[in-house]
Amino acid sequence: GAVVSQHPSRVICKSGTSVKIECRSLDFQATTMFWYRQFPKQSLMLMATSNEGSKATYEQGVEKDKFLINHASLTLSTLTVTSAHPEDSSFYICSASVSSYNEQFFGPGTRLTVL
Amino acid sequence: GENVEQHPSTLSVQEGDSAVIKCTYSDSASNYFPWYKQELGKGPQLIIDIRSNVGEKKDQRIAVTLNKTAKHFSLHITETQPEDSAVYFCAAIDNYGQNFVFGPGTRLSVLP
Repeated sequence: GAVVSQHPSRVICKSGTSVKIECRSLDFQATTMFWYRQFPKQSLMLMATSNEGSKATYEQGVEKDKFLINHASLTLSTLTVTSAHPEDSSFYICSASVSSYNEQFFGPGTRLTVL
Repeated sequence: GENVEQHPSTLSVQEGDSAVIKCTYSDSASNYFPWYKQELGKGPQLIIDIRSNVGEKKDQRIAVTLNKTAKHFSLHITETQPEDSAVYFCAAIDNYGQNFVFGPGTRLSVLP
């Protein structure tokens, strides 16, 4: 149980385009989903937290107009990187939580490369 | 806010030996401490966790100990195998939020 999927696993795009990443909890309903960014050889940095049907809460320094998060259902959250630039190239990882137990279950990650 | 430190940053052990990774946290309100294993190019995978109402938890070759007074917790891996090679992250979370604060990670290499 507690499986989280992400799609796509890898994406390469041109500078200026937008990229959407999907995060799904496959076998449970997630009250909260989290989006992280991880640069090479670094730890996970929380970008935003989203609850189903509510606006996402962004961490300090994360541009909400650039990283659009939609949490339309208890099993799906999407992250859209708008007008991507090479500095947005990173490993994006989502996680989902069943709040009463605190555990976060992570997706496999999406490698974004912006040319 | 919470601050989590992790040591060592890299650790090499011979196959069959034990490995210990230590984390310290700053917020005494933290009450949940998970450990994640991340292999190259993959998402983190929960391997063990502990809550503040217990001092130790074990699952086969993996154990976690928690010292609330000193605000530190440790991951212990016994009889290490090459497939244990990965980056390990500790994290802490408090009662008032769901946001984990992760340690910087430990790259474990198990040499055959």
